[in-house]
Amino acid sequence: KAGVTQTPRYLIKTRGQQVTLSCSPISGHRSVSWYQQTPGQGLQFLFEYFSETQRNKGNFPGRFSGRQFSNSRSEMNVSTLELGDSALYLCASSDARSTDTQYFGPGTRLTVL
Amino acid sequence: TQLLEQSPQFLSIQEGENLTVYCNSSSVFSSLQWYRQEPGEGPVLLVTVVTGGEVKKLKRLTFQFGDARKDSSLHITAAQPGDTGLYLCAGIQGAQKLVFGQGTRLTINP
Repeated sequence: KAGVTQTPRYLIKTRGQQVTLSCSPISGHRSVSWYQQTPGQGLQFLFEYFSETQRNKGNFPGRFSGRQFSNSRSEMNVSTLELGDSALYLCASSDARSTDTQYFGPGTRLTVL
Repeated sequence: TQLLEQSPQFLSIQEGENLTVYCNSSSVFSSLQWYRQEPGEGPVLLVTVVTGGEVKKLKRLTFQFGDARKDSSLHITAAQPGDTGLYLCAGIQGAQKLVFGQGTRLTINP
């Protein structure tokens, strides 16, 4: 099986712009979670989607949003970008039988100038 | 405030030495996981410990979950350069949400 894929791998934006990141989970996995990784804060949970519904949400402002499609692919959107949004954004998928076991993608490195 | 505190944050040792990384919290977790992350890649799950006092071995890596399910340790015997990476512990609290520690960046020098 192919692993979790994320596109794009690298992205440069300027303050005030918005960005959309994409994640394709492992085939058959219905749960997709998003994380933000920075040197200062480490890995922080953004949100989780299961069967097109947001099931869990972390403590991030409303500028961060996501959605999941019927094929389980997921997108996250960040509006009105700030310098502090520069980070590695990781997506992880898991199947319904073992949501504890998450498989991470390689991440999208976002740089906000 | 970080729910999971990892120590040390950085560790550089010579090949063949032993090391222990700690993951501590004041909170109880239903289970705890250890991941390794290499540059340019996402974290890869190494182990999940569920029962207080549980010990799991993965070749030269030994993982232990504290009796009270608030802390864990990772011990590496005879470290090798291939063990170099960022080691992350993550606790699972209700609603299947993963809470990560800050990570321990390990460098094994040949």
